[in-house]
Amino acid sequence: DAKTTQPPSMDCAEGRAANLPCNHSTISGNEYVYWYRQIHSQGPQYIIHGLKNNETNEMASLIITEDRKSSTLILPHATLRDTAVYYCIVTPPGTYKYIFGTGTRLKVLA
Amino acid sequence: EPEVTQTPSHQVTQMGQEVILRCVPISNHLYFYWYRQILGQKVEFLVSFYNNEISEKSEIFDDQFSVERPDGSNFTLKIRSTKLEDSAMYFCASGVQGFGTDTQYFGPGTRLTVL
Repeated sequence: DAKTTQPPSMDCAEGRAANLPCNHSTISGNEYVYWYRQIHSQGPQYIIHGLKNNETNEMASLIITEDRKSSTLILPHATLRDTAVYYCIVTPPGTYKYIFGTGTRLKVLA
Repeated sequence: EPEVTQTPSHQVTQMGQEVILRCVPISNHLYFYWYRQILGQKVEFLVSFYNNEISEKSEIFDDQFSVERPDGSNFTLKIRSTKLEDSAMYFCASGVQGFGTDTQYFGPGTRLTVL
């Protein structure tokens, strides 16, 4: 089973920031948090990942709490093209396979 | 920007037939993966592959499945005798592992339909 829990769905107004939460309370010290998204049935698209520190790239920001038990993916100015299912993944120790949960279905509204 | 490619985009086959799904990973990547997604369900890990060996496989990856890197660029998934329940999207991914983590880059997928 996935080590993360996410809300099943969220809406966001176009142009506003989308904040997608993820709970990973059983994360261990050397496990990374990855975020991917899937638009329709396309291949999952890498967004960002982090270990302890907050991270930012051209797509998004990742805020990880100090205890590392939860994180938030921030899309700063959501567009209609950001409508997708967003997955938060924590890779189990000793393996590199991804275990996908059901993710959060984000709908960006015009 | 380099990307993972997969062929064909859609494969239709009869039950019991063999299929080979093809993937071209990103050129400097060393770790390769197959996942599948049955319509409306989660993305599921099938197998990981490194240094011409299977590193890890799931319960789904039984004797009907095999993987191969026949040359320096392709990575294939073979299903020997397809079943109706093999109908799914199959995604190839590749990555460069390092420091206990691996960012995987996924291809667009092959839709397999078994009739």
